Amino acid sequence: SYELTQPPSVSVSPGQTASITCSGDKLGDKYACWYQQKPGQSPVLVIFQDSKRPSGIPERFSGSTSGNTATLTISGTQAMDEADYYCQAWDRGTAVFGTGTKVTVL
Amino acid sequence: QVQLVESGGGVVHPGRSLRLSCAASGFTFSSYAMHWVRQAPGKGLEWVALISYDGTNKYYADSMKGRFTISRDNSKNTLYLQMNSLRVEDTAVYYCAREDGSGANHWGQGTLVTVSS
Repeated sequence: SYELTQPPSVSVSPGQTASITCSGDKLGDKYACWYQQKPGQSPVLVIFQDSKRPSGIPERFSGSTSGNTATLTISGTQAMDEADYYCQAWDRGTAVFGTGTKVTVL
Repeated sequence: QVQLVESGGGVVHPGRSLRLSCAASGFTFSSYAMHWVRQAPGKGLEWVALISYDGTNKYYADSMKGRFTISRDNSKNTLYLQMNSLRVEDTAVYYCAREDGSGANHWGQGTLVTVSS
């Protein structure tokens, strides 16, 4: 079955840039999206189609892809960005979530 | 505004069945595909199933295929998940979510299913 691999954790200082990677076979041939989930809350879509932001998502969230890796970048990270982040892509008619990354703002 | 409200969760013994519901409001339910996604306690998100806007096409995660059935009633603006032969490892919060064509941009608050003897 298809797998998307993320680093378990990323630490970042306030105001700095956090980058979260998502790797999967031939991921560059698929669209990736990213979800943010804060403790006790439902997930929120922050990036779709690799790099597009839904309405209401701050500009500091951006996405990109290169080869088999998608990357979510949070520029000027704020304390409120501390959360779990999941990538997601489709493979042969099934949706697959990444393993998840906990972003800690120190 | 878009609202998705799950219900039907609870405690159930292994091997038993349970049906979850997701009541939709604030949008034209019959125009959107819908997901079920689950999250075991302290674990990551796991996609369960997707149903097309009209119910014609259904897609399942391999691990759920054959035990879970997704369905919808567009006249009632309601999404369902029938879960049979439940296992301890099916214990999770189950979310419904609206597919907006390139991601799930609206999620319910989730309903907890606990499978335990």
